[in-house]
Amino acid sequence: DVKVTQSSRYLVKRTGEKVFLECVQDMDHENMFWYRQDPGLGLRLIYFSYDVKMKEKGDIPEGYSVSREKKERFSLILESASTNQTSMYLCASSPTEPTWEQYFGPGTRLTVT
Amino acid sequence: AQSVTQPDIHITVSEGASLELRCNYSYGATPYLFWYVQSPGQGLQLLLKYFSGDTLVQGIKGFEAEFKRSQSSFNLRKPSVHWSDAAEYFCAVGVSFGNEKLTFGTGTRLTIIP
Repeated sequence: DVKVTQSSRYLVKRTGEKVFLECVQDMDHENMFWYRQDPGLGLRLIYFSYDVKMKEKGDIPEGYSVSREKKERFSLILESASTNQTSMYLCASSPTEPTWEQYFGPGTRLTVT
Repeated sequence: AQSVTQPDIHITVSEGASLELRCNYSYGATPYLFWYVQSPGQGLQLLLKYFSGDTLVQGIKGFEAEFKRSQSSFNLRKPSVHWSDAAEYFCAVGVSFGNEKLTFGTGTRLTIIP
């Protein structure tokens, strides 16, 4: 089975802090994705990556950055956390074909106070 | 731009009853369509997908979905729900503009009553 793990299930940070969310997949997938999930808004794509050291902006990249130094690891960075970034963050990975068949991690619920 | 609409925010069904969750999409070309399920406290799990061919697709956990091009719909069905089906369900469409990605609906929360 594909396994996607996220470093924390729950995280509480203060406004202005730099926050790192880590995601690791064990199936040698080329593609990795970061989403945020908010009630009534569904999942929205923040960033994605199709290869090591490669990244593409999703629909809501503002206030976020990413890093992919190794194939299995994709990090989401909040440079200066704000209260409007309180959300559930979901990481996913997928093989090259089909890209859309994404496998999700359990999520990190981030609260910024 | 592509979009996915799930008109029902919350549905309550009795255990053993049939279920239909609605999904409508807007996309100019032939869509790739998906249903995902999210159990409480969990990530999303792929239930089923439609790429081409037979418009009635079978998925895991006894779910099926039917693609109707004329109605731009991809509704999810199950003949008899179980208490363990209580979860949130997301419909998604896959689009390709150089880099393939998924666009999700806002989700339907399913409650099962005994």
